[in-house]
This record gives sequence, C-alpha cells and structure tokens, in this order.
Amino acid sequence: DAGVIQSPRHEVTEMGQEVTLRCKPISGHNSLFWYRQTMMRGLELLIYFNNNVPIDDSGMPEDRFSAKMPNASFSTLKIQPSEPRDSAVYFCASRRTTGNTIYFGEGSWLTVV
Amino acid sequence: GIQVEQSPPDLILQEGANSTLRCNFSDSVNNLQWFHQNPWGQLINLFYIPSGTKQNGRLSATTVATERYSLLYISSSQTTDSGVYFCAVGTGRRALTFGSGTRLQVQP
Repeated sequence: DAGVIQSPRHEVTEMGQEVTLRCKPISGHNSLFWYRQTMMRGLELLIYFNNNVPIDDSGMPEDRFSAKMPNASFSTLKIQPSEPRDSAVYFCASRRTTGNTIYFGEGSWLTVV
Repeated sequence: GIQVEQSPPDLILQEGANSTLRCNFSDSVNNLQWFHQNPWGQLINLFYIPSGTKQNGRLSATTVATERYSLLYISSSQTTDSGVYFCAVGTGRRALTFGSGTRLQVQP
C-alpha cells in the first residue's frame, strides 16, 4: 500500500498569496488529520475528518485557514492570505475505520516570506 | 484537553548505550502511540501501546495506564536512532495529542 501522499513537499510563497496543500490518505482509511509543526508550538492538530465530515476543527487558527475533504481519497488545506507566521511543516495523517494507528505523510514544508 | 509531558527534553548518548524515555499524561486514554521523527522530518510509527508491553528489536515500550505513564526503552543505541521521539495520546476515536518530544542524539 502507498502511504499518505502530500503535495507540494516544499513551497515558498510571498505574504498575501493563497497556499493550497493537498493530501491523499491511505486507501481504505476513513479518518484524516491535518497537523502543523513549528519549533514554538510543536505538533498541533488543525482539523480532523471522519468519513469526509469535519469532526473537530478547533485547532484551525483563524478564518484564513480552511480545509475540505470532497471525497474519501482527497483533502486540501488552504491558507488565504498567507502570513510569515504560517511558516511551518504541515502534516497529513490517516487512520482506518477499525484501526487505532495513525500514519503520517512526509509533510509539506511551507515558507511564507 | 489532555496534557502530555515527555522527559528528558534532550538526551545525548554514546553509541551502544541504553536509554529510557518517559511520557506522562494527565487523563485516562485508550490510544497511545510512540513516533520517531528522523532528521529528514518523517514521522515513523514505533508502537501502538495503550497498555502493556511490546518489543520490536532493540526498542520496547511499556504503558501503565492506571498510573498514566509510558516508557520507551532503546537498547544498544545506534547513530540511526537519532531524532525526536514523540509520545501521542488520545481517547475514543479522537485525534492524538502530542507531547513536546525527546530529542536524542547518538554519537559514534
């Protein structure tokens, strides 16, 4: 099985631009998570989907962030407009219906200048 | 929410040494996982261990759920063990809450 696939792996963008991060979960997994990792705050949950429905979005920083999961095999995390403080590694992870182990993608390294 | 504390925050070992990493959590959980983040940033599952003891090669983990802690043992450490070790906990089918990690450096 292919793992969780994220794109882009690296992105450098200018402040004010829109950023879209993409994630393909492992086939058969029905839970999807977006996490953000920074030096200051560590790994923090942004949003969690179950069966394509957002269950917990309490970690989404503000209205500039939005996430969607239009189908079981695709999710996006969008930042509009981006700010330098959004610079971080954004991880997508998935978990199957009957399992407990969460599997992470390789992350999207975002730099906003 | 659940608080997760890991210790020590940093650890430097000579190759071949053994180490114990600790994870304390503030509430009852039914999901606990240990991850290794390698120097390239990848988060690799080590153990799913909400209770009991498991071993995988040179690594083993023990969780005492009633006392709200988990231990990760690394024996005969190698330079490839370097990186950050995270403990993450959860309840029900919720997302995991991560500790701040233990940064391990194994020197040759």
